[in-house]
Amino acid sequence: AQSVTQPDIHITVSEGASLELRCNYSYGATPYLFWYVQSPGQGLQLLLKYFSGDTLVQGIKGFEAEFKRSQSSFNLRKPSVHWSDAAEYFCAVGADDMRFGAGTRLTVKP
Amino acid sequence: DAEITQSPRHKITETGRQVTLACHQTWNHNNMFWYRQDLGHGLRLIHYSYGVQDTNKGEVSDGYSVSRSNTEDLPLTLESAASSQTSVYFCASSPNSGIRTDTQYFGPGTRLTVL
Repeated sequence: AQSVTQPDIHITVSEGASLELRCNYSYGATPYLFWYVQSPGQGLQLLLKYFSGDTLVQGIKGFEAEFKRSQSSFNLRKPSVHWSDAAEYFCAVGADDMRFGAGTRLTVKP
Repeated sequence: DAEITQSPRHKITETGRQVTLACHQTWNHNNMFWYRQDLGHGLRLIHYSYGVQDTNKGEVSDGYSVSRSNTEDLPLTLESAASSQTSVYFCASSPNSGIRTDTQYFGPGTRLTVL
């Protein structure tokens, strides 16, 4: 089965700074790739997904992610972080079934 | 509006008791999933279903069971609750797009405590 790694458990950035959250996957072919966000006490909400085509995908709330086949990565980026972006972010890989990474908690400093 | 609901939202039970968590969706999605969320592990798939009468084991299925008798509901049963099953449980569904691992829509979660 596929696996997902999010190397950073917790990241702190200042409001207005750029953000990059890392995601690496392991699978024999190109899987479907997702980023979800979870606010405290809530379920998960889809930010963006990659199935095929353009490797740079745009999502909601100003987020984007780039699929790099050579690096088996699907990193999430945002040029300028807002205080409301503080949440937990999960990368997920869809292949045989859906597997989620352990998550990265984002703290935004004023 | 279509939605996915879970009940109860909070549950405290004792070791050895049978517990059933409900999940109901009104999107008419064929695909439904149960996950548990634990600190440091993200979400782990327990069971999933791709249609009525279809159920499949996920990554961490031991001690859990599901049944799918209609499109809208996928109840999760803990046969004999154990303290290791204390967790937050999320139900999700995904549309009938032909891609079984398409976007999933999540319920609000059930926090289960086993004493």
